[in-house]
Amino acid sequence: IAGITQAPTSQILAAGRRMTLRCTQDMRHNAMYWYRQDLGLGLRLIHYSNTAGTTGKGEVPDGYSVSRANTDDFPLTLASAVPSQTSVYFCASSVASGGPDTQYFGPGTRLTVL
Amino acid sequence: GQNIDQPTEMTATEGAIVQINCTYQTSGFNGLFWYQQHAGEAPTFLSYNVLDGLEEKGRFSSFLSRSKGYSYLLLKELQMKDSASYLCAVRDNDYKLSFGAGTTVTVRA
Repeated sequence: IAGITQAPTSQILAAGRRMTLRCTQDMRHNAMYWYRQDLGLGLRLIHYSNTAGTTGKGEVPDGYSVSRANTDDFPLTLASAVPSQTSVYFCASSVASGGPDTQYFGPGTRLTVL
Repeated sequence: GQNIDQPTEMTATEGAIVQINCTYQTSGFNGLFWYQQHAGEAPTFLSYNVLDGLEEKGRFSSFLSRSKGYSYLLLKELQMKDSASYLCAVRDNDYKLSFGAGTTVTVRA
């Protein structure tokens, strides 16, 4: 693994089903983030984690949950998917120190909820 | 919260210069970022400004005026591969990013 990976690449899901999007990074970054990207709205923060064992809510957290059991993994769970959760989901990570603290993005998961 | 505005689309000719403006109104400011995103791909980091002034990095430059809540990204000597969306993002005091909707730049031959 090099950098940050996400799985699956794409998924079609029936409404009401449970789904977990996976995100793994091997850069030993402290902070991780989940965004959704919708046409005309840009990237919006769903949840974040500043360090293993802690999580926080972003701009659009409803209907989503996360966990951060270790440094490398940050799964995003949709407990009961709805069509409005159709989107492209990006996971990102950063060192979480001072200065630029650039966020690095995974390749994304395209999710369609029918 | 953050309110970040940038134009939706811009078109320019290969070899030309394009300037993408970004204005923001924030409840806290701890840096401004520009990301590039090609269609179907992940955003990639381009530039970072935290102090007023111009940051130059090859063909790309970014400018910040904190008092005016204004930034621009300048792309010089445009190439076809520069066709992409350019995302302006503001970081708050909790180190979280808020993104504008993005500007799609189309470079024509």
